[in-house]
Amino acid sequence: DQQVKQNSPSLSVQEGRISILNCDYTNSMFDYFLWYKKYPAEGPTFLISISSIKDKNEDGRFTVFLNKSAKHLSLHIVPSQPGDSAVYFCAASDNDMRFGAGTRLTVKP
Amino acid sequence: DGGITQSPKYLFRKEGQNVTLSCEQNLNHDAMYWYRQDPGQGLRLIYYSQIVNDFQKGDIAEGYSVSREKKESFPLTVTSAQKNPTAFYLCASSPRQGGSYGYTFGSGTRLTVV
Repeated sequence: DQQVKQNSPSLSVQEGRISILNCDYTNSMFDYFLWYKKYPAEGPTFLISISSIKDKNEDGRFTVFLNKSAKHLSLHIVPSQPGDSAVYFCAASDNDMRFGAGTRLTVKP
Repeated sequence: DGGITQSPKYLFRKEGQNVTLSCEQNLNHDAMYWYRQDPGQGLRLIYYSQIVNDFQKGDIAEGYSVSREKKESFPLTVTSAQKNPTAFYLCASSPRQGGSYGYTFGSGTRLTVV
């Protein structure tokens, strides 16, 4: 039973354009949401998070939006850079953390 | 520098053997976790520990065992009972259990059954 879903396994964008990564969840008890970035053969690193009491959190080029009624969150990267190419995991937590399957982002120069 | 260290980076196991993956952290975190990554399935929780000498099963604990004798260490044993052990294993820690604290991950161990 996947409680956190990332339906797009891959995304390709041009350098300088916006990257939008999407995530859906089913458990309404989740109260904290995070995005992690992962390079091959490395562990995920924390990117940005948002509490369920907010609908937006911004950190530099990265913005996370939360739509609780739709149980949907998204990560916007503007402008996208080639170094952003990685796998992005969405995660949601009540007490335990649940991860999506990841979206591989490729930013082309 | 504080961090979390997993070893070895690559591990090969013969069928029927038990192997132990090491995870050590010097972040003074109370909680530690083991995840397994398979293609297209994200990270699945194997075991977690909130405090020394205590641990709980995650979603896919069958065929695995853990111990938490020291705060810094949370080794994972993949036993011969695990039917499909080939995967990428990730250890993580957090100050307390709960996502709002954020997890710090190790660099992972890739286990291959030969």
